[in-house]
Amino acid sequence: EDKVVQSPLSLVVHEGDTVTLNCSYEVTNFRSLLWYKQEKKAPTFLFMLTSSGIEKKSGRLSSILDKKELFSILNITATQTGDSAVYLCARRDSNYQLIWGAGTKLIIKP
Amino acid sequence: EAQVTQNPRYLITVTGKKLTVTCSQNMNHEYMSWYRQDPGLGLRQIYYSMNVEVTDKGDVPEGYKVSRKEKRNFPLILESPSPNQTSLYFCASSPPTGFYNEQFFGPGTRLTVL
Repeated sequence: EDKVVQSPLSLVVHEGDTVTLNCSYEVTNFRSLLWYKQEKKAPTFLFMLTSSGIEKKSGRLSSILDKKELFSILNITATQTGDSAVYLCARRDSNYQLIWGAGTKLIIKP
Repeated sequence: EAQVTQNPRYLITVTGKKLTVTCSQNMNHEYMSWYRQDPGLGLRQIYYSMNVEVTDKGDVPEGYKVSRKEKRNFPLILESPSPNQTSLYFCASSPPTGFYNEQFFGPGTRLTVL
């Protein structure tokens, strides 16, 4: 089926831990993969990935795409309570549409 | 300030009473879209519009209508709301320059249909 699967569905860690969130998809012909953060409001943009193997980095967050194995990961190092959120990934297809995963709910305990 | 606005932000209504949720963007984006978000299901697209007077169904269009008479506005219409349309709704827009652009989201409208 043509879908985007995120894992885990939820994750609870302590402040300072490193987390890895996964996003897998089932089609090879797509334009880009996007990561968003959602904190009780509208999703906010984190990264867009178009090329395999090239890491995007912003502060403690980084993401990479593996087009051969059909997945992307989002890493957060030295987590803080402000990182608590739902993290969404979406695949942008060649028809311009975004196919969204269900999200990973991340809770950072002090 | 560049933004996507939605109104109302919260709405409680009753079954069968027609309602409209407005969406407006001031970024001159050609592409606009409506999503609903339900627990465990992520974002599901209702309708989208590539340009003025051009609209297409998304994944869950049943029970919804849209119109795109002007570039900046993309209202969502529920002609006869039902309780299964209780959800969090987001409007989003994107620049027209192809596939490599993020979507900008409105603040969301929380709709409850009793």
